[in-house]
Amino acid sequence: DTGVSQDPRHKITKRGQNVTFRCDPISEHNRLYWYRQTLGQGPEFLTYFQNEAQLEKSRLLSDRFSAERPKGSFSTLEIQRTEQGDSAMYLCASSPPYVVGETQYFGPGTRLLVL
Amino acid sequence: GENVEQHPSTLSVQEGDSAVIKCTYSDSASNYFPWYKQELGKRPQLIIDIRSNVGEKKDQRIAVTLNKTAKHFSLHITETQPEDSAVYFCAARNFGNEKLTFGTGTRLTIIP
Repeated sequence: DTGVSQDPRHKITKRGQNVTFRCDPISEHNRLYWYRQTLGQGPEFLTYFQNEAQLEKSRLLSDRFSAERPKGSFSTLEIQRTEQGDSAMYLCASSPPYVVGETQYFGPGTRLLVL
Repeated sequence: GENVEQHPSTLSVQEGDSAVIKCTYSDSASNYFPWYKQELGKRPQLIIDIRSNVGEKKDQRIAVTLNKTAKHFSLHITETQPEDSAVYFCAARNFGNEKLTFGTGTRLTIIP
């Protein structure tokens, strides 16, 4: 499968613990996005990378959330001191350079449950 | 910021009939409007998109129309089939902005 991949697919954690998710974009895609989706809602934008630079962050991304893309390839999203309200599906998406197209291709998501 | 409203939230259609889902957006600077289909437990998948310089786009049984003046766009599925059952999301993106703003989704059920 050459699509966007995410790991883990499911994560159960206790309130107050830290969790880290990984996203591997489609090869050659220089743009990478993180979204959060709660039950019955559409995905909500969290942050955006172009290569290794984090260019856009939503107000939803509190100081407990941090995202990185150190080499411009895979990305990680860390949530510190998790709260029950963090329970959601975390989706990663990637896009090719603009000269190729602008479609965002989504990964399967990481479903987080905070107990 | 951008706000996208989507209607209806649920839609049941007899197999073979047509389905229409409508979205409105608030920011007149939005210029890209994709539609995603999400089956239960799976990733959102792009089914069709339209840019603001085009009024209509069609791909086999799926079409999207855009009215820039009224700031609304619609998804049309003709000759519906059971495999069309899923949740459909519309989205909008502003020129010069990378984020997609999604609607709240429409659960489409095709009745055999």
